[in-house]
Amino acid sequence: GAGVSQSPRYKVAKRGQDVALRCDPISGHVSLFWYQQALGQGPEFLTYFQNEAQLDKSGLPSDRFFAERPEGSVSTLKIQRTQQEDSAVYLCASSLARGTYNEQFFGPGTRLTVL
Amino acid sequence: KNEVEQSPQNLTAQEGEFITINCSYSVGISALHWLQQHPGGGIVSLFMLSSGKKKHGRLIATINIQEKHSSLHITASHPRDSAVYICAVRSNPGAGSYQLTFGKGTKLSVIP
Repeated sequence: GAGVSQSPRYKVAKRGQDVALRCDPISGHVSLFWYQQALGQGPEFLTYFQNEAQLDKSGLPSDRFFAERPEGSVSTLKIQRTQQEDSAVYLCASSLARGTYNEQFFGPGTRLTVL
Repeated sequence: KNEVEQSPQNLTAQEGEFITINCSYSVGISALHWLQQHPGGGIVSLFMLSSGKKKHGRLIATINIQEKHSSLHITASHPRDSAVYICAVRSNPGAGSYQLTFGKGTKLSVIP
């Protein structure tokens, strides 16, 4: 595909439900990032993958959040027992390589609303 | 952690006006990004720069490394430029240097 895609684009969950958010990065991109953007705020880093390895998960807000990228391409962000404070836009980005000067390409985001 | 401040938070301009959005950060960086976010969430990368100035169409981005400051300029603004503009910085090489730290964004509305 031409860019980073995410699905679903919108997700409404009842408090306590588990959700899974998918990211399809640009083909061949080594690095993949997940960000959380609360309403009216800038995105905040959640986690980073280099191929299938999760090198940094320091931004995950609690142990209810889990991310994986088992084959080094598609990634899934899972949130267990969702809470209202989890409501946000979840953005995925990918970049070609791991160097510090590589541009990140963003997906359209998944807007999660927890009722 | 780098602190990224943007100003103004909100900006309303008449079509055709010259627009400037400012970004300052607290710690030395390896790169700075200007991003555009339209309603609905999608983010588009406008510029990535580590020194000097870049120009693309009506958009110009500058950075002053010594002053830890960057500006995004839009010449001859148009209603389709209405969006949130976000500044994001990447720390110097080292632990966590792949992370971007984002400002809160500047919401621009251009009125016909």
